[in-house]
Amino acid sequence: GNSVTQMEGPVTLSEEAFLTINCTYTATGYPSLFWYVQYPGEGLQLLLKATKADDKGSNKGFEATYRKETTSFHLEKGSVQVSDSAVYFCALREAFGTASKLTFGTGTRLQVTL
Amino acid sequence: NAGVTQTPKFQVLKTGQSMTLQCAQDMNHNSMYWYRQDPGMGLRLIYYSASEGTTDKGEVPNGYNVSRLNKREFSLRLESAAPSQTSVYFCASSEAFGNTQYFGPGTRLTVL
Repeated sequence: GNSVTQMEGPVTLSEEAFLTINCTYTATGYPSLFWYVQYPGEGLQLLLKATKADDKGSNKGFEATYRKETTSFHLEKGSVQVSDSAVYFCALREAFGTASKLTFGTGTRLQVTL
Repeated sequence: NAGVTQTPKFQVLKTGQSMTLQCAQDMNHNSMYWYRQDPGMGLRLIYYSASEGTTDKGEVPNGYNVSRLNKREFSLRLESAAPSQTSVYFCASSEAFGNTQYFGPGTRLTVL
């Protein structure tokens, strides 16, 4: 079956540090890949996505590239801010019937300090 | 435009009690979903509704029932709550064949 593996957290960084959160996946076919972010006390929000190999998703300074050869979709940001503190979920989607079903990783908590 | 709304935000139940979690979306989406979020396990799909009038089991359906009341509303019912159902529950919706699921703010449920 499909699965998503994320690096264990929490990740603690100083403001303006470089961020990488690793994500690898196992899937049949050609999934779409996503990063969702969950701020404290809120639901999940889509951060970025990529639908085919070598696509790069980007949003709010975050980037991730769909690497089929390494089955990876690592999240990066060049300079994190305190406001980026949240839990980040990697996910994949393969169409199933007429509904799109997401498979999530376990989440990685990011804490950014001044 | 409210997106996906859920009620209640918080709920405490005793073992054996029943309750219904409500979800509504105003984006005219065809598909709706219920997930539970537990520490160290990410989100797991409980049930989904591909379109109005249809529902299907997800990864962890035992102990739950759902109703797609109309295109806007998708409710989740716990008939006899158990401590193992203590979790945060999220509703989501998407267009059919769409890539993006939009999530509600969640319901934090504690079963004593």
